[in-house]
Amino acid sequence: EPEVTQTPSHQVTQMGQEVILRCVPISNHLYFYWYRQILGQKVEFLVSFYNNEISEKSEIFDDQFSVERPDGSNFTLKIRSTKLEDSAMYFCASYYTSYTEAFFGQGTRLTVV
Amino acid sequence: TQLLEQSPQFLSIQEGENLTVYCNSSSVFSSLQWYRQEPGEGPVLLVTVVTGGEVKKLKRLTFQFGDARKDSSLHITAAQPGDTGLYLCAGAAGGTSYGKLTFGQGTILTVHP
Repeated sequence: EPEVTQTPSHQVTQMGQEVILRCVPISNHLYFYWYRQILGQKVEFLVSFYNNEISEKSEIFDDQFSVERPDGSNFTLKIRSTKLEDSAMYFCASYYTSYTEAFFGQGTRLTVV
Repeated sequence: TQLLEQSPQFLSIQEGENLTVYCNSSSVFSSLQWYRQEPGEGPVLLVTVVTGGEVKKLKRLTFQFGDARKDSSLHITAAQPGDTGLYLCAGAAGGTSYGKLTFGQGTILTVHP
């Protein structure tokens, strides 16, 4: 069964460092999303991406965050200068169309120390 | 901003009992998804309801979407220890927000043998 794959599964980084979280969506999917889940809190929408550009972003997704799909298969989330409050599980999700179900990756646990 | 209130937050029951989890909002959603999430993993889709008043059954699980598409419920009949886990509801905004999901805070279900 096709699946969304995220790497790494766990990343520990020092405050102020840049991190790149990687996702390989399902190959024929067209819509890509990043969500995050701070421990004990709700899953929150960060950004949606379609046709090689951001469709929508939340207020959380400030200038420290960026996304790109560099090679037609990977979908990355970059945090330029990490803060302690960026510590969370980050989930990638992809859709075939906007009206079909979302498939989530297993997540990357980011710990900023 | 769309909000989805999920209740109860915790549910501890004995094997064989029935239970219902609720998700309520003042906003209309184009669809509503129910997910199950295991510790350290991403949400796994259980069902999507789209039409107001829709009822879907998945073995012992019954999902209902409110007539006004603002609320939903998950009912489990004769719960088993294998049903233990975190259940999440998520509403899709639709329209230009495509599949952007607003999540409830989750219900942690524990079924004791």
